Amino acid sequence: NAGVTQTPKFRVLKTGQSMTLLCAQDMNHEYMYWYRQDPGMGLRLIHYSVGEGTTAKGEVPDGYNVSRLKKQNFLLGLESAAPSQTSVYFCASSYWGENQPQHFGDGTRLSIL
Amino acid sequence: AQSVAQPEDQVNVAEGNPLTVKCTYSVSGNPYLFWYVQYPNRGLQFLLKYITGDNLVKGSYGFEAEFNKSQTSFHLKKPSALVSDSALYFCAVRDTSGTYKYIFGTGTRLKVLA
Repeated sequence: NAGVTQTPKFRVLKTGQSMTLLCAQDMNHEYMYWYRQDPGMGLRLIHYSVGEGTTAKGEVPDGYNVSRLKKQNFLLGLESAAPSQTSVYFCASSYWGENQPQHFGDGTRLSIL
Repeated sequence: AQSVAQPEDQVNVAEGNPLTVKCTYSVSGNPYLFWYVQYPNRGLQFLLKYITGDNLVKGSYGFEAEFNKSQTSFHLKKPSALVSDSALYFCAVRDTSGTYKYIFGTGTRLKVLA
C-alpha cells in the first residue's frame, strides 16, 4: 500500500513562479489536508477538503489555492511564489469521523529564491 | 479557543530510563487526542489515540499515554527509552466545533542518550 504520496519531493522556485503540489491517497479517505511545517511553529493548516469537489480555508490560506476534483487527489497551488512560502509541505488524509487519525505523506521541500 | 500545548521544546533522557513527553489541551466537550512521531525527512506517523474509556492508552513501539481529565493532560510515556526513539513528537486534538480540523502542538524533540 502506497498510503499518501506527495510529488515532487523537492523543488526550487524563483520568486513569482507558479507550481502545483500533488497529493494522492489510495485509502479511500474522505478528508484531505495541506499543512506547512516551519521551524518552531509546528504544523499550520493551509486548506482542507471534506470530500470530492469541496475545499475550505485553514489557518494560513493566503497565497495558496487548492482543488479536489477526484476523491483520491488533493492539489495545492502557488500562483506567484514568495520567499515566505519556503517551507516543508505535508499532505494528510483521514477517514470520516472525529476519532480517526491522520495519515501523512513524506512532504515536499520547497525553496523559493 | 481550542488549543494544544507542549511545554517542552526538548526532552533529554538516558537510554533505558523512562520517558515522558507532556501535552495539555483545551477543547469544549469530549476530547479526541492523538500522538504522532516524526523522524528526519519523513511525515508524521500515528502512535496512539484517546477516544473514551481507559485513561491509559497503549500504542505503537511500546509507547503509552495517560489521559487526565481534571488536569486536561495527555502525556506520552515509555517505560524504557531507546536511542531509536529520538525524534520529534506531536500532540494533537480534534477540533470539536464541527470544522473537521486537527489542532497540533508545536512539537517536542526527544533525545535519548546512549
